[in-house]
Amino acid sequence: GENVEQHPSTLSVQEGDSAVIKCTYSDSASNYFPWYKQELGKRPQLIIDIRSNVGEKKDQRIAVTLNKTAKHFSLHITETQPEDSAVYFCAAPMDTGRRALTFGSGTRLQVQP
Amino acid sequence: EADIYQTPRYLVIGTGKKITLECSQTMGHDKMYWYQQDPGMELHLIHYSYGVNSTEKGDLSSESTVSRIRTEHFPLTLESARPSHTSQYLCASSGTGGLNEQYFGPGTRLTVT
Repeated sequence: GENVEQHPSTLSVQEGDSAVIKCTYSDSASNYFPWYKQELGKRPQLIIDIRSNVGEKKDQRIAVTLNKTAKHFSLHITETQPEDSAVYFCAAPMDTGRRALTFGSGTRLQVQP
Repeated sequence: EADIYQTPRYLVIGTGKKITLECSQTMGHDKMYWYQQDPGMELHLIHYSYGVNSTEKGDLSSESTVSRIRTEHFPLTLESARPSHTSQYLCASSGTGGLNEQYFGPGTRLTVT
């Protein structure tokens, strides 16, 4: 099955700075990589995803990059704001059947005002 | 309004009791999932289903069982609750076709005394 590793586990930045979270995966056949945001006491929500046929995807201040050769993908948040403070999870398909996801261990992002 | 619902939201129960956590979705999704998550920590997949009468075990070894008799309903049963089952349980669903966005329910916070 897929193995997803996520770093760092905690990240503290000043408001307005950029934040980068990185994940590596083990299965070269994996083709779908979402990122979820979970605010304190709330349910996880998808913020952006990327499929293996593209190398980068952007949505306003959020971007995801994918390096299939190195088997890693990263979340980039620019111009961070206090409301970006949350736990972020990456994920990849769990197995060749690709009906479920394996999640990374999460990154707790704290944006200092 | 299309959504995913979980009941109860909070449950305190004694060791050895049988419990069923309910999950229903009105989104017409074929795939449904159960995750166990301690607050802010990693999401562990317990069970998933890709349609009626299909269930699969996830990564996390669990003493729970699930059933999928109706598309919209995916209950999780613990035959004999133990203190080690104390955690939050999140249900999720996603639509037809390959992997895509998972929508999470609000969760059930279970405490076994």
